[in-house]
Amino acid sequence: SQQGEEDPQALSIQEGENATMNCSYKTSINNLQWYRQNSGRGLVHLILIRSNEREKHSGRLRVTLDTSKKSSSLLITASRAADTASYFCATGRGAGGTSYGKLTFGQGTILTVHP
Amino acid sequence: EAQVTQNPRYLITVTGKKLTVTCSQNMNHEYMSWYRQDPGLGLRQIYYSMNVEVTDKGDVPEGYKVSRKEKRNFPLILESPSPNQTSLYFCASRRLAGDNEQFFGPGTRLTVL
Repeated sequence: SQQGEEDPQALSIQEGENATMNCSYKTSINNLQWYRQNSGRGLVHLILIRSNEREKHSGRLRVTLDTSKKSSSLLITASRAADTASYFCATGRGAGGTSYGKLTFGQGTILTVHP
Repeated sequence: EAQVTQNPRYLITVTGKKLTVTCSQNMNHEYMSWYRQDPGLGLRQIYYSMNVEVTDKGDVPEGYKVSRKEKRNFPLILESPSPNQTSLYFCASRRLAGDNEQFFGPGTRLTVL
């Protein structure tokens, strides 16, 4: 079964509004990553948060991680039409503080930002 | 420019005709991986490799083969393609040590008739 599951499956907002996407997972992780995919193209890494971190920022992106609830959220502030894309969370697992082997992706949230 | 390249980008073939999708990265990454993406199923890992001559199965390896003879290349081989292998395929690579982002190729859209 999928390790990461995003919620909602689709989100439609107006330019300037904030967009929040959530990700839940089942097993312990070393890190959680968020990726963006424009239609039919390769995924682009957005941000990584380690299991011992609770919040991380990068530009208009804010990621939180709650390991007790096995969940993460991605907030995009002041959204733009160019933010329209699919967003995926991915969980990395491994031993000894490294993430090797499998990176498991969720099914993604389709974000549409209307001009 | 640091990148992952895949070829071909689009391929239409028939059942049973062996094919190879190539993947190459120029970042000297140890780790490489293949995924397939299907509607409603997200990305699923097919195979991955942590270094030359080291490969391992992902979540959906059936019907696929890989090889890692050189660090930069990680071809995906479909010995006898079937229609259920029609999908969008992505190759990715990353440095192995620590927690690192994966770099993805542009994708190969495969249709098996």
